[in-house]
Amino acid sequence: NAGVTQTPKFQVLKTGQSMTLQCAQDMNHNSMYWYRQDPGMGLRLIYYSASEGTTDKGEVPNGYNVSRLNKREFSLRLESAAPSQTSVYFCASTRSPLNTEAFFGQGTRLTVV
Amino acid sequence: DQQVKQNSPSLSVQEGRISILNCDYTNSMFDYFLWYKKYPAEGPTFLISISSIKDKNEDGRFTVFLNKSAKHLSLHIVPSQPGDSAVYFCAALADRGSTLGRLYFGRGTQLTVWP
Repeated sequence: NAGVTQTPKFQVLKTGQSMTLQCAQDMNHNSMYWYRQDPGMGLRLIYYSASEGTTDKGEVPNGYNVSRLNKREFSLRLESAAPSQTSVYFCASTRSPLNTEAFFGQGTRLTVV
Repeated sequence: DQQVKQNSPSLSVQEGRISILNCDYTNSMFDYFLWYKKYPAEGPTFLISISSIKDKNEDGRFTVFLNKSAKHLSLHIVPSQPGDSAVYFCAALADRGSTLGRLYFGRGTQLTVWP
């Protein structure tokens, strides 16, 4: 069972470069999320998609854009990477916005130099 | 302003004893509270949850207690095992309003269970 798959697992970017983090789930979940985890900060919500066709900002959306390509895929784009975006990024999905059990991917460790 | 707080960054417990992880929240609109467990280089995994209409939920060695008046919840692990060593995140969500479905996480507590 793949669950939630994130690519890439590791990435190093130079300041100003752009990139897209990919996320796909095979559980037929409606809702998908992007979080970032920084040391001592827990997980903070960047963007989420309650259902296919909708996206909303979370706590820390600045510097990011998202696309809910279809029900399975939810991508996160950094248009112009900054060192402050160095973090571990997690994608997650839930059956519905009210479902309490979120399934997480293994994370993408991004370093911006 | 953090709405979910875990004030203890770490906890060390001997194998076989009870581990108690604490969590406080500020938003009285939260309807569900959850605990996630995270091993290094892996994503968090769901552990246990509790609805705001209950004060206790048990699943095997794991029990979550909710005190709504104090806006406090705790996770008890009995007996603790070395494999329980991980970071534990407390989380909360509301089932209505503009933040419907958004999970708010605490900063985590690193639990170490030693033999």
